[in-house]
Amino acid sequence: AQTVTQSQPEMSVQEAETVTLSCTYDTSESDYYLFWYKQPPSRQMILVIRQEAYKQQNATENRFSVNFQKAAKSFSLKISDSQLGDAAMYFCALLNNNDMRFGAGTRLTVKP
Amino acid sequence: GAVVSQHPSWVICKSGTSVKIECRSLDFQATTMFWYRQFPKQSLMLMATSNEGSKATYEQGVEKDKFLINHASLTLSTLTVTSAHPEDSSFYICSARDGRQGAYRAFFGQGTRLTVV
Repeated sequence: AQTVTQSQPEMSVQEAETVTLSCTYDTSESDYYLFWYKQPPSRQMILVIRQEAYKQQNATENRFSVNFQKAAKSFSLKISDSQLGDAAMYFCALLNNNDMRFGAGTRLTVKP
Repeated sequence: GAVVSQHPSWVICKSGTSVKIECRSLDFQATTMFWYRQFPKQSLMLMATSNEGSKATYEQGVEKDKFLINHASLTLSTLTVTSAHPEDSSFYICSARDGRQGAYRAFFGQGTRLTVV
């Protein structure tokens, strides 16, 4: 079975600063996708960014970018110019053909 | 974008009764549906994976006779919690995987908050 590990239960960042959330994973599949989801108090899962495993180039979405290290099975999320609205739970996820699993999550606090 | 509609958004039921939760993909075919349970301040725990037209695959520790999953069509999957007890109270979320070959995308329903009294 594949696993996803987030070792930072909580992170804090000052508004306008940069923060990096860590994620490692394990899978025996060669074809898979990695995601970062944001979950606000409403509990709606919001896709932040997606990375195809076969692509070497790191995905970027505006202030959000990833550092994908396939050999190390690492997939960290960098949030630049943090905003108060970024405060939420962040989950790393791994999807392959018939399985999608999540890490334990990181609660991000943004200080004004 | 793709939409997954999950109903009801919340439900309160008496202990011993059954509750059905529906998950519909509105504008795409979902060949695979994932069902998760999330307790407060915890992550999404995969309960089962269902493929259209076949029996669901349950995770270890999840009772298949208690959590009945049906995926009869490419746009609808249901989770029925049978003989619900207070310990089944939780937040249940479905996720539908886009069925187009190579489309590794999953879209989430809004979730269902189940309270068993």
